[in-house]
Amino acid sequence: GAGVSQSPSNKVTEKGKDVELRCDPISGHTALYWYRQSLGQGLEFLIYFQGNSAPDKSGLPSDRFSAERTGGSVSTLTIQRTQQEDSAVYLCASSAQGLAGDEQFFGPGTRLTVL
Amino acid sequence: DAKTTQPPSMDCAEGRAANLPCNHSTISGNEYVYWYRQIHSQGPQYIIHGLKNNETNEMASLIITEDRKSSTLILPHATLRDTAVYYCIDSPSETSGSRLTFGEGTQLTVNP
Repeated sequence: GAGVSQSPSNKVTEKGKDVELRCDPISGHTALYWYRQSLGQGLEFLIYFQGNSAPDKSGLPSDRFSAERTGGSVSTLTIQRTQQEDSAVYLCASSAQGLAGDEQFFGPGTRLTVL
Repeated sequence: DAKTTQPPSMDCAEGRAANLPCNHSTISGNEYVYWYRQIHSQGPQYIIHGLKNNETNEMASLIITEDRKSSTLILPHATLRDTAVYYCIDSPSETSGSRLTFGEGTQLTVNP
């Protein structure tokens, strides 16, 4: 079956613009995660969804970052007024139920470049 | 979240076993040990996980010490395609959705 997909694969934007990144999790997975990977920072957690609610938003770096999930499926990560330090690969993952023993399946990521 | 420590890099000859160590000095009783890897320009890929007992699957074996303070991931017959960054992670409890906290990982290079 299909894995986690993300779009776009690459996004180049100008400083100050808003961007939306999309994640399609594996069908039936209730848990969805956003991470980002930037040079010098490694892989860091951003937000976790269980169904359509986000019980853990503690990794969002500022109020310019927001995310939503609709229908317990697709999620959108929005970055407003992008800054150069937002340049990174944004990774989405899903797992069956978000339990401690669940495997997280990662998408290929969206590479964001802010000029 | 618990923090793990791994060597920054390791080399292995193709066809030989690769043994990747990890220290989990602050692991708690309900935390799983997970191993993921990330091949260049791809998303992380799950390898294996365990709680107390040793585990084996089609990709690798996981050896966890009795005190759970360290573990070793074993790739029995490394191939060039196994060149990747390998992450050892202590998964937190379900109250935080089992988010993964990645450290620096070990860059494994498999040489022909």
